[in-house]
Amino acid sequence: EPEVTQTPSHQVTQMGQEVILRCVPISNHLYFYWYRQILGQKVEFLVSFYNNEISEKSEIFDDQFSVERPDGSNFTLKIRSTKLEDSAMYFCASSRGQGLGSTEAFFGQGTRLTVV
Amino acid sequence: AQTVTQSQPEMSVQEAETVTLSCTYDTSESNYYLFWYKQPPSRQMILVIRQEAYKQQNATENRFSVNFQKAAKSFSLKISDSQLGDTAMYFCAFLNNAGNMLTFGGGTRLMVKP
Repeated sequence: EPEVTQTPSHQVTQMGQEVILRCVPISNHLYFYWYRQILGQKVEFLVSFYNNEISEKSEIFDDQFSVERPDGSNFTLKIRSTKLEDSAMYFCASSRGQGLGSTEAFFGQGTRLTVV
Repeated sequence: AQTVTQSQPEMSVQEAETVTLSCTYDTSESNYYLFWYKQPPSRQMILVIRQEAYKQQNATENRFSVNFQKAAKSFSLKISDSQLGDTAMYFCAFLNNAGNMLTFGGGTRLMVKP
């Protein structure tokens, strides 16, 4: 069964360092998303990506965040200068698109980011 | 902007019993999609059930069913014959009509007791 895969599963980084979280969405999906979940809190939308551009983003997704689909298979989230409060589980998701049966977002297993 | 509210932070149920998790939402859109996701301790997000807003019939998936009340903006999840493996966080989620933003509620931690 196709699945969304994320690497690494756990990343520890120093405050101020750049970090790139990687995701391989399901191959025939068109919409890609990043979410984050601070420990014990709700899952928060960061950004959605469609047709090689950002479709929607939240107020959390400020200038220190960027997304890219560099090679048609990977979908990355870059945090330029990490802060302690960026420590969270980051989930990548993908969906086929709109319409019955195609709106379901399939989630990866998450990358736990720890900023020290 | 959409908001999703889950008013029950924690619930417990005896194995084999039925439990209902509440969810309300607020939106100005007329068509949208609603989901319940399960997050076990592994923290993987697993889709439990989906509902399209224009469909009046409540969705059902085996032991899981929803009570969708569009006018009241309510979308509750009923779990019948609860099993120990149902122990998890459950998130209600709203997908806008454009399909580009999924908004989650704060979650309900469900404990199924033997």
